[in-house]
Amino acid sequence: GENVEQHPSTLSVQEGDSAVIKCTYSDSASNYFPWYKQELGKGPQLIIDIRSNVGEKKDQRIAVTLNKTAKHFSLHITETQPEDSAVYFCAASRANTGNQFYFGTGTSLTVIP
Amino acid sequence: TAGITQAPTSQILAAGRSMTLRCTQDMRHNAMYWYRQDLGLGLRLIHYSNTAGTTGKGEVPDGYSVSRANTDDFPLTLASAVPSQTSVYFCASSANPAGARSEKLFFGSGTQLSVL
Repeated sequence: GENVEQHPSTLSVQEGDSAVIKCTYSDSASNYFPWYKQELGKGPQLIIDIRSNVGEKKDQRIAVTLNKTAKHFSLHITETQPEDSAVYFCAASRANTGNQFYFGTGTSLTVIP
Repeated sequence: TAGITQAPTSQILAAGRSMTLRCTQDMRHNAMYWYRQDLGLGLRLIHYSNTAGTTGKGEVPDGYSVSRANTDDFPLTLASAVPSQTSVYFCASSANPAGARSEKLFFGSGTQLSVL
């Protein structure tokens, strides 16, 4: 099956700086890569996603890049704010495999005011 | 607000006892899922259901069972709880099963379960 690795496990940045979280995947057939944000005491919430036919996608301060050849994708948060502090999960899935989303182990991001 | 409702929010359970975690969604999503979240291990799929009347095993199904009698409800049952089942459990849904176009997962707020 798919194996998704996520780094770093913890990340601290000063407010206003950028944060980057990286994930690698093993199954070259994976074609959908979402990112979830989990705030304390809540369930994960989708913040951005990218499909394998696209190299980059941006939504205001967040962006995701995908390198299919290297099998890695990254989440970029610019101009970080304290409310960006949360745990972020990457995931991978592919068509016709049933229902398996494979999640990374999470990154705890702290934005220091 | 529309979404997924899980109950209870937390529970302490004696080992060997049974328990059912409840999950209800009002988005008329076809697919539903149960994940467990453990520190350092991320989210792992326990069971899933593509549509009412069908279920399937995920990555860590042992010790758990599910049923999908209708579109809205997807309860998770622990028949005889063990301490290793101490975890945070999340129910999720998507309009269609993973692999179809609309794979976005919507999560509930979770159930913190402690088995002693």
